[in-house]
Amino acid sequence: DADVTQTPRNRITKTGKRIMLECSQTKGHDRMYWYRQDPGLGLRLIYYSFDVKDINKGEISDGYSVSRQAQAKFSLSLESAIPNQTALYFCATSDNRAPRGNEQFFGPGTRLTVL
Amino acid sequence: TQLLEQSPQFLSIQEGENLTVYCNSSSVFSSLQWYRQEPGEGPVLLVTVVTGGEVKKLKRLTFQFGDARKDSSLHITAAQPGDTGLYLCAGAKVDSSYKLIFGSGTRLLVRP
Repeated sequence: DADVTQTPRNRITKTGKRIMLECSQTKGHDRMYWYRQDPGLGLRLIYYSFDVKDINKGEISDGYSVSRQAQAKFSLSLESAIPNQTALYFCATSDNRAPRGNEQFFGPGTRLTVL
Repeated sequence: TQLLEQSPQFLSIQEGENLTVYCNSSSVFSSLQWYRQEPGEGPVLLVTVVTGGEVKKLKRLTFQFGDARKDSSLHITAAQPGDTGLYLCAGAKVDSSYKLIFGSGTRLLVRP
């Protein structure tokens, strides 16, 4: 069974629609992250959370919001999707208690297309 | 903004050849990680290097962290088709090591 799961795996939507991407983990990690991946740009951090009450903006948070519903669940919302938000979105987790707490474990990704 | 530059961006080689991928920055990192990503999947951690000058080996893959902790390299010996994928380096910031700065990636194709 996958430790970090994302739903949906693929989504096509139209400009202006509200979209929610969901992430769940069974690793018991406290930290969770949302990234987007674009060709030639690597992974860029959108939001991260250290626990249910701690949410932080990453380098490209404009146009996105997040919710940490439980330690195991972290969702990403696009309130009004626009075409330049077309990308691959990845959720990741890390364990603050690990010797090098920054090693991250990624979900399989969501391919989002905004028309 | 801290940047990690990876080179080359794309590499196509024949099975059995050797290759080196580079990851460079003007910033110092507390540690550096290498990930491999295959189509339709998320990145998977290969290795973490922490100490300046550190060398780690993972079968045919050799990873090195620069003495000044600003750069790293990945060397693959006798590449195989199973090595095909996107290789990403990621540096952990000194003041906030939970944040990773990712390079843009090197896409490797190993032809049989």
